[in-house]
Amino acid sequence: GAGVSQSPRYKVAKRGQDVALRCDPISGHVSLFWYQQALGQGPEFLTYFQNEAQLDKSGLPSDRFFAERPEGSVSTLKIQRTQQEDSAVYLCASSEGYGKNIQYFGAGTRLSVL
Amino acid sequence: GNSVTQMEGPVTLSEEAFLTINCTYTATGYPSLFWYVQYPGEGLQLLLKATKADDKGSNKGFEATYRKETTSFHLEKGSVQVSDSAVYFCALLRTGAGSYQLTFGKGTKLSVIP
Repeated sequence: GAGVSQSPRYKVAKRGQDVALRCDPISGHVSLFWYQQALGQGPEFLTYFQNEAQLDKSGLPSDRFFAERPEGSVSTLKIQRTQQEDSAVYLCASSEGYGKNIQYFGAGTRLSVL
Repeated sequence: GNSVTQMEGPVTLSEEAFLTINCTYTATGYPSLFWYVQYPGEGLQLLLKATKADDKGSNKGFEATYRKETTSFHLEKGSVQVSDSAVYFCALLRTGAGSYQLTFGKGTKLSVIP
């Protein structure tokens, strides 16, 4: 079966532009996570959904970052007025749900802000 | 708060050498522990996990034992191959309060030469 799919794989934005990153989780997975991975670092947690409910957004670095999962499947991470420090790989992961703690990761979207 | 510290890389080994990558953690309660691997150009893949003290996770010749007394989860392999060249991440899963976020170390890059 298909794994976690993210698009686009690469995104170049000019400083100040808005971007939207898409994540298609594994079919049937109720939990979805976004992480940010700066160059040479480990991934850092951004936000977590269970179905359509955003249960934890404690890792979002500013109010320019917004995530949604309106139908409990596909999720979009939106970054408004991008800054150079937003350049990173954005990883999406999904898991089967409550208590099923293996997270399966997509290949990520590499965002470069010029 | 929760944190993971793993040995700095890069690590360069000859084929068939013994591998150890050290990982220690700080966490409240009893987290689950993971090793993820990232091959060039690919997403994070779960390598192995352990959910309670003294558990040993193993996969593809890699092993790690959850040591509560030393708060460690060191990764070992008896004989590495060129195909093991990748970046390895140690991680812990924090559960409770409605969230399941992974906390990662910074990663250790392994290069295996023929």
